[in-house]
Amino acid sequence: DSGVTQTPKHLITATGQRVTLRCSPRSGDLSVYWYQQSLDQGLQFLIQYYNGEERAKGNILERFSAQQFPDLHSELNLSSLELGDSALYFCASSVAGGNNSPLHFGNGTRLTVT
Amino acid sequence: EDKVVQSPLSLVVHEGDTVTLNCSYEVTNFRSLLWYKQEKKAPTFLFMLTSSGIEKKSGRLSSILDKKELFSILNITATQTGDSAVYLCAVVSGNQFYFGTGTSLTVIP
Repeated sequence: DSGVTQTPKHLITATGQRVTLRCSPRSGDLSVYWYQQSLDQGLQFLIQYYNGEERAKGNILERFSAQQFPDLHSELNLSSLELGDSALYFCASSVAGGNNSPLHFGNGTRLTVT
Repeated sequence: EDKVVQSPLSLVVHEGDTVTLNCSYEVTNFRSLLWYKQEKKAPTFLFMLTSSGIEKKSGRLSSILDKKELFSILNITATQTGDSAVYLCAVVSGNQFYFGTGTSLTVIP
């Protein structure tokens, strides 16, 4: 158990809908990363937060947004969902965000858009 | 553009074989290289390498980094069916983690 908690485990929704994925980092970790993993692609970096502030953005669509709250949990909001958004979404946390501390991953949320 | 390339893409071996997985990288501000094992769900952390030539070892797994030639290898000796997984290499550049697409290892009994 990595100590990173993601909810829900599975999500099935229809095109055009909006969903929220939730992540609680490991105790003591200040940095949260979100990744998308599709069948035909590796881990695609979406966005990083450090201690409540956005630190870096990757290939995140404008329909997607995220935030990190004062208690350090993070939410990833996906709106106007399309079939191609179906994927496994991982949250990962680290102590200081790349400062020679590894990422620890949650078990992911599997999103299916029908 | 920062990139991480892993080879081979997939590998099928018999139990007891030794395998070597490769990871090469081109990044602007190298800090460390990490290996992860991904079975059905979350990638789990195996090793972090920051210095060239120093082998990290955990049981039958070992890894080494060459910062001059910009690559790392992950060795697994006496493979077991439980080693079947996707092995991911990640390189930290600045405060970003860049992942390769992984090597899928299948160990046949």
